[in-house]
Amino acid sequence: EPEVTQTPSHQVTQMGQEVILRCVPISNHLYFYWYRQILGQKVEFLVSFYNNEISEKSEIFDDQFSVERPDGSNFTLKIRSTKLEDSAMYFCASSTGGNYGYTFGSGTRLTVV
Amino acid sequence: EDQVTQSPEALRLQEGESSSLNCSYTVSGLRGLFWYRQDPGKGPEFLFTLYSAGEEKEKERLKATLTKKESFLHITAPKPEDSATYLCAVRFMNRDDKIIFGKGTRLHILP
Repeated sequence: EPEVTQTPSHQVTQMGQEVILRCVPISNHLYFYWYRQILGQKVEFLVSFYNNEISEKSEIFDDQFSVERPDGSNFTLKIRSTKLEDSAMYFCASSTGGNYGYTFGSGTRLTVV
Repeated sequence: EDQVTQSPEALRLQEGESSSLNCSYTVSGLRGLFWYRQDPGKGPEFLFTLYSAGEEKEKERLKATLTKKESFLHITAPKPEDSATYLCAVRFMNRDDKIIFGKGTRLHILP
């Protein structure tokens, strides 16, 4: 069964440092997403990406965040200057669009110290 | 504001004790309602998509139903391996392609 792959599974970083979270979506999917889940809270939408551009972003996705699909297979989320409150599980997801469900990756646990 | 509300927050059942989880939504137009299962430390795992009132989907011990304002996830004769958090998510009309999640129901099945 095709799956969405995320690396690393866990990343610890110093406050103020830049981090890049990586994702390999399912190969024939066209829509890509990042969500995050702070411990004990709900899964929150960050950004959607289609046709090499952002199609929608949430209020959380401020200027410190950016996404990129650099080579047609990887999909990355960059946080320029991490804050303590960025500590969370970050999930990548992809879909074929329409009314199909998203396939989520296993997540990257980001810990900012 | 569009919202997705799940109840109860947590549910403990004996093995074999059937029950239902609820997901209600306030929305101007629904394009799809999704149920996911999430195990601790893992990503959401897709279970069902429902599109229109009256629709039902089944998978093993799970059955999802949809009305105009809510969805139920019925669990029949659950087993301990059904223990997980069950998430409901909704895609609204005119909201591009994002889905919005509820807080989930933590289900614990006692052997």
